[in-house]
Amino acid sequence: KAGVTQTPRYLIKTRGQQVTLSCSPISGHRSVSWYQQTPGQGLQFLFEYFSETQRNKGNFPGRFSGRQFSNSRSEMNVSTLELGDSALYLCASSLETGGHGYTFGSGTRLTVV
Amino acid sequence: GQQLNQSPQSMFIQEGEDVSMNCTSSSIFNTWLWYKQDPGEGPVLLIALYKAGELTSNGRLTAQFGITRKDSFLNISASIPSDVGIYFCAGRRAGGTSYGKLTFGQGTILTVHP
Repeated sequence: KAGVTQTPRYLIKTRGQQVTLSCSPISGHRSVSWYQQTPGQGLQFLFEYFSETQRNKGNFPGRFSGRQFSNSRSEMNVSTLELGDSALYLCASSLETGGHGYTFGSGTRLTVV
Repeated sequence: GQQLNQSPQSMFIQEGEDVSMNCTSSSIFNTWLWYKQDPGEGPVLLIALYKAGELTSNGRLTAQFGITRKDSFLNISASIPSDVGIYFCAGRRAGGTSYGKLTFGQGTILTVHP
């Protein structure tokens, strides 16, 4: 079956712009989580969605937001981009909220210039 | 943010050797996961552990959930060149506030020389 699909794979944006990233989970998976990966901070939890509701949120500023649609697809948005937002953004899906073995997508590499 | 203490940070080994890495935390976790990440890709789940003391194998990989629930280790036996990559441990706490939230170690970079 198809894995977790993230689009786009690569993105270059200018400081101050906003960006929207997309994640399509594995069919049947209702929980989607987002993580930011940087060389300095490693993998950091952003938020989790289940049945279109945000169930948990990490310690990121309000510029980072997300949503989940009825088909479980999720988007995350970053407004007013800063240079420090350059990172690999990973989406993971699971069968149930708080699921143990999350399956990750290949990520979106965001570069802010 | 909080991270698990994963060691070693890097390893350079010869093909055929065994590898051991571990993660420790000051907090209790009710789930421990081990992932491998190749360049340009997302982490791939290797082994999931759900009970204290649990020992689980996946081919040449063996992982254990520490009795105190504050640590876990991963062993790779008879390493091969395709084992090269970054290995991450991840833990999840109990409770509703932990939905979807995995805490990751800093990663162990594994290099295997043929």
